[in-house]
Amino acid sequence: QKEVEQDPGPLSVPEGAIVSLNCTYSNSAFQYFMWYRQYSRKGPELLMYTYSSGNKEDGRFTAQVDKSSKYISLFIRDSQPSDSATYLCAFNYGGATNKLIFGTGTLLAVQP
Amino acid sequence: ETGVTQTPRHLVMGMTNKKSLKCEQHLGHNAMYWYKQSAKKPLELMFVYSLEERVENNSVPSRFSPECPNSSHLFLHLHTLQPEDSALYLCASSQPDRGIQYFGPGTRLTVL
Repeated sequence: QKEVEQDPGPLSVPEGAIVSLNCTYSNSAFQYFMWYRQYSRKGPELLMYTYSSGNKEDGRFTAQVDKSSKYISLFIRDSQPSDSATYLCAFNYGGATNKLIFGTGTLLAVQP
Repeated sequence: ETGVTQTPRHLVMGMTNKKSLKCEQHLGHNAMYWYKQSAKKPLELMFVYSLEERVENNSVPSRFSPECPNSSHLFLHLHTLQPEDSALYLCASSQPDRGIQYFGPGTRLTVL
């Protein structure tokens, strides 16, 4: 079983749609849960992070963590063409090496 | 200059060349990382430096040699690379023991 599973997409939605991106994980030792956004030919940009179950909202973005189901989601409301990018979920054990485990990324295209 | 910077942004090299990638962080962090990003694969952690000491070497071939002269600078020395080493090489930084890593824009490496 892979440590992290993420649907690679591509996912194409019309402008204004609600987007749901998801990752499942198998390691209950993960302490931090993150979403990064990566535009083409750029480095990943931290979008949201949390370390507990529940929801965290930032503008049009909501991150959701369900530790009991080992499942995290990112919701984008009123999606815009500028949201078109690859979205990477990432997980972290904490500790000395601070090693991040990434999903493969989901490619999102928001059509105007 | 703010955040994490990387130079060069693009590099083409032959299999017998020696080159170096440079990363600089302006965030006051004490941990720095090298990642490799290949198409359709998750980001792969290569090396971790915490307080200028290498704390992880993730089974990376010896043709990749990292150097961290101080907490703001990180290098990746390359020699006798293979075509399969062509990828986007990303540098990141964080505080030690903290989950949130901030990435640079990457160096797109092509090995001929």
